[in-house]
Amino acid sequence: DADVTQTPRNRITKTGKRIMLECSQTKGHDRMYWYRQDPGLGLRLIYYSFDVKDINKGEISDGYSVSRQAQAKFSLSLESAIPNQTALYFCATSDTTGDYTEAFFGQGTRLTVV
Amino acid sequence: RKEVEQDPGPFNVPEGATVAFNCTYSNSASQSFFWYRQDCRKEPKLLMSVYSSGNEDGRFTAQLNRASQYISLLIRDSKLSDSATYLCVVSLSAGNMLTFGGGTRLMVKP
Repeated sequence: DADVTQTPRNRITKTGKRIMLECSQTKGHDRMYWYRQDPGLGLRLIYYSFDVKDINKGEISDGYSVSRQAQAKFSLSLESAIPNQTALYFCATSDTTGDYTEAFFGQGTRLTVV
Repeated sequence: RKEVEQDPGPFNVPEGATVAFNCTYSNSASQSFFWYRQDCRKEPKLLMSVYSSGNEDGRFTAQLNRASQYISLLIRDSKLSDSATYLCVVSLSAGNMLTFGGGTRLMVKP
């Protein structure tokens, strides 16, 4: 089983619908992130959380919300989906040891808004 | 200006070639640097960290130039399996959030 699991893996939804993407991890990391990836734009940070009671906006948080239900779970919601939110979404966790940080990614959720 | 910039490519090289990618970053306070590899439709995975003194891992060499604010990745003796997108990643400090470049696509041909 993957250490970082995203559900669903693929989703097609209609404009205006609410949708939730879920992420769970078994790595025991405190830090979790949601990114979206668009062709040529790399990964852009939507929200991040450094522990259960901590939620921070990233570069492109408008139109999104998150919930950190537990150390292992971090969900991303689109309250009213729009077509330009069509993208590949990644959840990630990270761990820091000394001056070394490594991020571990889920397998991604391909979201299409029609 | 983007915080982390990369040439998107694609770089098309024959097997056995040496290829190098550069990446520039805008925040001079950045402290941690990484290269991630992403295969088509897959999640990014850490390839290597980039240390101030430069570091090597097999056929891969990473270097940091703080004065010019760029990092580089050199791949020697390219293999077909090296075909992927290489993402430059920068962080203000250890434990801080990671900022990704747009990626450079490499295609190694027989």
